[in-house]
Amino acid sequence: ETGVTQSPTHLIKTRGQQVTLRCSSQSGHNTVSWYQQALGQGPQFIFQYYREEENGRGNFPPRFSGLQFPNYSSELNVNALELDDSALYLCASRTSGGELEQFFGPGTRLTVL
Amino acid sequence: GQNIDQPTEMTATEGAIVQINCTYQTSGFNGLFWYQQHAGEAPTFLSYNVLDGLEEKGRFSSFLSRSKGYSYLLLKELQMKDSASYLCASYGGATNKLIFGTGTLLAVQP
Repeated sequence: ETGVTQSPTHLIKTRGQQVTLRCSSQSGHNTVSWYQQALGQGPQFIFQYYREEENGRGNFPPRFSGLQFPNYSSELNVNALELDDSALYLCASRTSGGELEQFFGPGTRLTVL
Repeated sequence: GQNIDQPTEMTATEGAIVQINCTYQTSGFNGLFWYQQHAGEAPTFLSYNVLDGLEEKGRFSSFLSRSKGYSYLLLKELQMKDSASYLCASYGGATNKLIFGTGTLLAVQP
């Protein structure tokens, strides 16, 4: 069974640029959530995808957008990057059934200069 | 609304027992999770409580009181490798999402 993977591991961008982060969910998991974790803070929920549709969103502006593909992998896109977007971006997957446990990927460390 | 509160830092001694408390306010509450996160790594699942009471898993136990909006994580026989951040997260709300606290940074000393 393959766990959750994310790419890239690290990324450096400049203010105003756009970035795409990728996530492959664990085998058999059809629900993917994205989180932003600033240094010294807990993960903050960005949004959740189920069967290629966004079905939940946290307090993040529209420049944070996402996609889920038929194989349940997912992308997080951030436009017009700001310095405060520097954080660890975590992807987590789970099944849509009774099991609520989410399995996290290793994260992508984004630095905005 | 949803709010999680847990201590920022704790220190304990190797071999001892430590209890990390968490209070929450979550509409449509569906359960309470505890995750462990080592520096620079992803959170890893420790426990999940949906009903009142104690769940035990080896050296780790978690307790939930839904009426009080309160949970704790109990770590026994502390080891140096237990030094990490412990994240309390409530599950619920209109879209059934995980809301995390800021985490409790536990330092285990010899």
